[in-house]
Amino acid sequence: IAGITQAPTSQILAAGRRMTLRCTQDMRHNAMYWYRQDLGLGLRLIHYSNTAGTTGKGEVPDGYSVSRANTDDFPLTLASAVPSQTSVYFCASKPGQGDSPLHFGNGTRLTVT
Amino acid sequence: GENVEQHPSTLSVQEGDSAVIKCTYSDSASNYFPWYKQELGKRPQLIIDIRSNVGEKKDQRIAVTLNKTAKHFSLHITETQPEDSAVYFCAASGELTGGGNKLTFGTGTQLKVEL
Repeated sequence: IAGITQAPTSQILAAGRRMTLRCTQDMRHNAMYWYRQDLGLGLRLIHYSNTAGTTGKGEVPDGYSVSRANTDDFPLTLASAVPSQTSVYFCASKPGQGDSPLHFGNGTRLTVT
Repeated sequence: GENVEQHPSTLSVQEGDSAVIKCTYSDSASNYFPWYKQELGKRPQLIIDIRSNVGEKKDQRIAVTLNKTAKHFSLHITETQPEDSAVYFCAASGELTGGGNKLTFGTGTQLKVEL
């Protein structure tokens, strides 16, 4: 793999179910992010991690949790999915905490019914 | 926190014409302003970026201008081609409460280049 890999590509999930979106990068980037993309709202930050072992809340963190056990992996968990979490989710990374471009994964399209 | 506004939300131009997309930001401490292009069903990809110590940057048919005093920046695409049709997002950097920084994105511009 090269870059950021997200899985699954798409998922239909019943409301109330638990779901983990996976994100793995092989660029040894320290900073990683989860964004959700909704029509007319652009990309909004859910959670972030500046380095392995640390995480923080973004603009829209409610209903989501993350972990960063190592540099490569940054999973996003929906503990109990609700229809308003229907969205396209993008994982992104960059080398460090300074100003630099974000590299995005291919996204996960999630539908909560 | 940072707020980024982007206009227009949709833009239709004839092939060969120029396209301009404008963004404003609220945080005067922002120093980094990238632009992303997103084709249908694909991930956002960086097309050009500019830092606050530069007023203009060009890369072939694409240019970005920055006015720090007015807190606005613009994307200019000249000699548009059908393959330029996509959604374009501007973004501005900002500090995170817990350290590090993030990008705050505009709401996107759907550009359509018509033959």
